[in-house]
Amino acid sequence: GQNIDQPTEMTATEGAIVQINCTYQTSGFNGLFWYQQHAGEAPTFLSYNVLDGLEEKGRFSSFLSRSKGYSYLLLKELQMKDSASYLCAVRDDTGTASKLTFGTGTRLQVTL
Amino acid sequence: EAQVTQNPRYLITVTGKKLTVTCSQNMNHEYMSWYRQDPGLGLRQIYYSMNVEVTDKGDVPEGYKVSRKEKRNFPLILESPSPNQTSLYFCASSQKWRIGAYNEQFFGPGTRLTVL
Repeated sequence: GQNIDQPTEMTATEGAIVQINCTYQTSGFNGLFWYQQHAGEAPTFLSYNVLDGLEEKGRFSSFLSRSKGYSYLLLKELQMKDSASYLCAVRDDTGTASKLTFGTGTRLQVTL
Repeated sequence: EAQVTQNPRYLITVTGKKLTVTCSQNMNHEYMSWYRQDPGLGLRQIYYSMNVEVTDKGDVPEGYKVSRKEKRNFPLILESPSPNQTSLYFCASSQKWRIGAYNEQFFGPGTRLTVL
């Protein structure tokens, strides 16, 4: 089975930097995803890490350490529209099965 | 426009009345999946399909059925809905999963189901 942990809620100020952490335990790790989900809407893809290190994409960066079972999503120059839930998801490939398991999400509130 | 569509978007039904939620994608994706999302529990996978005629159980398959007769469609069937299946349901699709590949999942808009 898999266990994915991320903080339930975070608050940050517009223009600041925020780091959302995710820890996981899985047997057949084959990649970690970050998704953004605004209230009442579908999740949208932000990033994918399968190798250790940092992936940067504009204001968003994602880091992975496979040996530590740890990832973080870094959001820079926060904007009000970044208020959303951020979902960490781990892909697990075991035999012929391939599953994507999501954490419960971190609700980020950006304030003025 | 590349997209995943779901129907209906909202449904209120009663216990025991069979229903089907349709899901269709126009991106020629091999992989399709159904999730339910509940407060405090996040997205949980119900069933997934690696390709046509290949389906497998996710983490919460009880009370659900799926079929994958065509590549583009992946309907979710509730034979006898119960109130604990009241939830927000998402269908998703992606290209065939390969090691290290950029396997972004595209999500449908969601179906909010209430079972009375």
